Parts: sequence; structure tokens; C-alpha cells
Amino acid sequence: SQTIHQWPATLVQPVGSPLSLECTVEGTSNPNLYWYRQAAGRGLQLLFYSVGIGQISSEVPQNLSASRPQDRQFILSSKKLLLSDSGFYLCAWISGGYGYTFGSGTRLTVV
Amino acid sequence: QKEVEQDPGPLSVPEGAIVSLNCTYSNSAFQYFMWYRQYSRKGPELLMYTYSSGNKEDGRFTAQVDKSSKYISLFIRDSQPSDSATYLCAMSLSGNTGKLIFGQGTTLQVKP
Repeated sequence: SQTIHQWPATLVQPVGSPLSLECTVEGTSNPNLYWYRQAAGRGLQLLFYSVGIGQISSEVPQNLSASRPQDRQFILSSKKLLLSDSGFYLCAWISGGYGYTFGSGTRLTVV
Repeated sequence: QKEVEQDPGPLSVPEGAIVSLNCTYSNSAFQYFMWYRQYSRKGPELLMYTYSSGNKEDGRFTAQVDKSSKYISLFIRDSQPSDSATYLCAMSLSGNTGKLIFGQGTTLQVKP
């Protein structure tokens, strides 16, 4: 079966610290992968998407970066976190052409 | 103007009521329309998916698309307390590779 794993579930980080969030999918090959952020009371904002290894497209200028070192691995990073980076981060992939399947999300609080 | 507009609510209804959730959009090129349900502190899960105007039914849920009016709806019949969640509409220009544009989400509470 096809599954998506995302960790950690919760993270509290100080301003200026680095960030690394990991997402992996199982049961499929060459998926399109996406990172979204959901701020409190707001919809989902697309941050990055990837159609293959090493291929990253950025949707909005920001303090974050993404990498895809392996076919089924998608990483979201930051060198120095800002308060405004707080939010709920969601990884997703396209499943059989019927919309996204989302991971369980990481709630990041920058203090 | 946002590409997708959705009333954030909150919407509170008694158990058994019919719920109507709506989104409007501005880009007539959108072809695929989805509804997601998101429970608190969880990732969204896909409820309904459609790519044509008209109605699509799945159990207590009916998705309606009116491309001429650029308006989509989700109806929930015989609403249950377990339906209490945030409902997000989403749409894309293409099917299996396209980026999704989401509405803000409507928070629904079904009271027993």
C-alpha cells in the first residue's frame, strides 16, 4: 500500500536555529511531492514541489529551502528560523491522479 | 482578489442537519475540483474529487460543480458530530501533476 511519513509531529525551535523536516513515501515510484504550510486560520500555501530527484520548484520567496536527495524523500530546511516560519507544515504527493495524499504534518513553533 | 474564496465560518449546526459548504473561484481554467476534510492537528484527507460540472454523490456527501458560475459546493446529509472538522475546497489546472490552490477552509461543528 502507498503511505506517506512525516516527522517530527511537533517541534519547538528558537529563532535563528536551523530546521530540517523530512517526508518519505512508500509504495510508489517517481511521485510528485509537495510542501505546504498552513498558518493559523489560513488556508494551505504551496511552498515547494518536486517532480523528480534534484528537481525543486519554489513557489514563494522565503527563508526556507527544499531538497529531494532520493526518489521518495523530500526535505524542507532552513538555516536560520524566523518567528514568521511558525506554522503547520504538510508534505503531500499525488496519488493516482485523484488529488493529494497528505502526511500527518509537523507543527512548528519558533520562539 | 484571491483565486479561491471560501467562507471560514465557523458554521454550527444540529445533528441531522443538511450542511452546505461553498467556494467561488476566479480562474475559469481550473479543471479539477476537490474537497478535503481536516480534523484538528491532522493532515487533510481527500473527500471528493470531480472534474466536470454537475453532481457527484458518495454516501452522505454530494459535490456540486457549476463551471459557468465558477462555484462549487459540498453538501453533507444527516450530519453527525464526527463530521465536525475544517473543510477545504481545492482546485487545479491539471489532474495528476498540477498544483492545488486551496480555499481558506470552513470550520464546521455538528452539535449532538
